[in-house]
Amino acid sequence: DTGVSQDPRHKITKRGQNVTFRCDPISEHNRLYWYRQTLGQGPEFLTYFQNEAQLEKSRLLSDRFSAERPKGSFSTLEIQRTEQGDSAMYLCASPGRRDGGYNEQFFGPGTRLTVL
Amino acid sequence: GNSVTQMEGPVTLSEEAFLTINCTYTATGYPSLFWYVQYPGEGLQLLLKATKADDKGSNKGFEATYRKETTSFHLEKGSVQVSDSAVYFCALSGLAAGNKLTFGGGTRVLVKP
Repeated sequence: DTGVSQDPRHKITKRGQNVTFRCDPISEHNRLYWYRQTLGQGPEFLTYFQNEAQLEKSRLLSDRFSAERPKGSFSTLEIQRTEQGDSAMYLCASPGRRDGGYNEQFFGPGTRLTVL
Repeated sequence: GNSVTQMEGPVTLSEEAFLTINCTYTATGYPSLFWYVQYPGEGLQLLLKATKADDKGSNKGFEATYRKETTSFHLEKGSVQVSDSAVYFCALSGLAAGNKLTFGGGTRVLVKP
């Protein structure tokens, strides 16, 4: 157990529906990262937070995607008007130290999204 | 930008064979390097890391040495077991990039008894 939890673990939705995922990072760790992993590929960076502030967004994060971390603890990732190409595993990660100073990250189990 | 290239799999080995998975990288500055492993049905786990040139990371019999001159971080294990069957990912991160991880495409390893 890495201390990072994600909910739900699996989500099946129809094209055009909105979905929201939640990540609970390691307690009191300031940074939180989101990645996406498609089948047979390595994870790709989506966005990250320092406390409540979203500091960087990948160009992979289209206008249909939005992420928040309102109280600097848990984070949500919402996808609006889902498309089949959004089918992937969405991963959340916490760095190895509370202030984010260490480079290694510990991953949650992921949310597997299937868009029909 | 940063990038990681690792050998494509699948790699199929017999138990007790020697395993090498090649990984090379392109990065600005002095990145930290990692190997992550994903066992069947499980999440992504940190296997080992190295934070500066000539560092050797090791864990569970696996080793990798940070080679700045060849921009490489090859993973090795002297005697693999069936339980080592997994997908292995090479990755890097750097302060200039917010410490976000850049991953290679992964190498699937299958160890047969």
